[in-house]
Amino acid sequence: AQSVTQLDSQVPVFEEAPVELRCNYSSSVSVYLFWYVQYPNQGLQLLLKYLSGSTLVESINGFEAEFNKSQTSFHLRKPSVHISDTAEYFCAVARTNTGFQKLVFGTGTRLLVSP
Amino acid sequence: EPEVTQTPSHQVTQMGQEVILRCVPISNHLYFYWYRQILGQKVEFLVSFYNNEISEKSEIFDDQFSVERPDGSNFTLKIRSTKLEDSAMYFCASRRTADEQFFGPGTRLTVL
Repeated sequence: AQSVTQLDSQVPVFEEAPVELRCNYSSSVSVYLFWYVQYPNQGLQLLLKYLSGSTLVESINGFEAEFNKSQTSFHLRKPSVHISDTAEYFCAVARTNTGFQKLVFGTGTRLLVSP
Repeated sequence: EPEVTQTPSHQVTQMGQEVILRCVPISNHLYFYWYRQILGQKVEFLVSFYNNEISEKSEIFDDQFSVERPDGSNFTLKIRSTKLEDSAMYFCASRRTADEQFFGPGTRLTVL
């Protein structure tokens, strides 16, 4: 079975400051890794994903995440946050060895950006 | 851009009543999912559906739950006799290939 740990339930940060949201996973098989973002009163949107290849993946809005197999981590970072980045961020994994790929989510980290 | 849609956005029901939550996945997608998120908790997998049958289900998905793809576009989740603890946001998702799942906006189910 897979599990995902997001140790920080809430991360307050000032606008234009850097931020890192931590994600660690546990799995006995290879996994794909995802970060989803949930803005208030909205559904889940894919932020970025790691399927294979370069371990550093980037989103179009300045977020990046690095897959570290030895540390089983997939931390999300942004060098300078905006007020509009305030949202809940979920890390998720899916097994690679099946076509059905249910997502296993972490408990989420609420990013609060203040002026 | 194609998107997953869900109706209704909010459903209020009495305990013991049946509810049907509806989803229209993206048209050329092959895999379909239901997840739920109890208020303040993480998103949990309920069931996956492929080739007109359930491919995997969680322990949450007991005999009170069923899914159906009655035509080429809709994907429904039925809860036969709702309980208070079924109150949650229910998300539908769909996927075409070994890639991201696209999520709908969710249906908030409130059981009184």
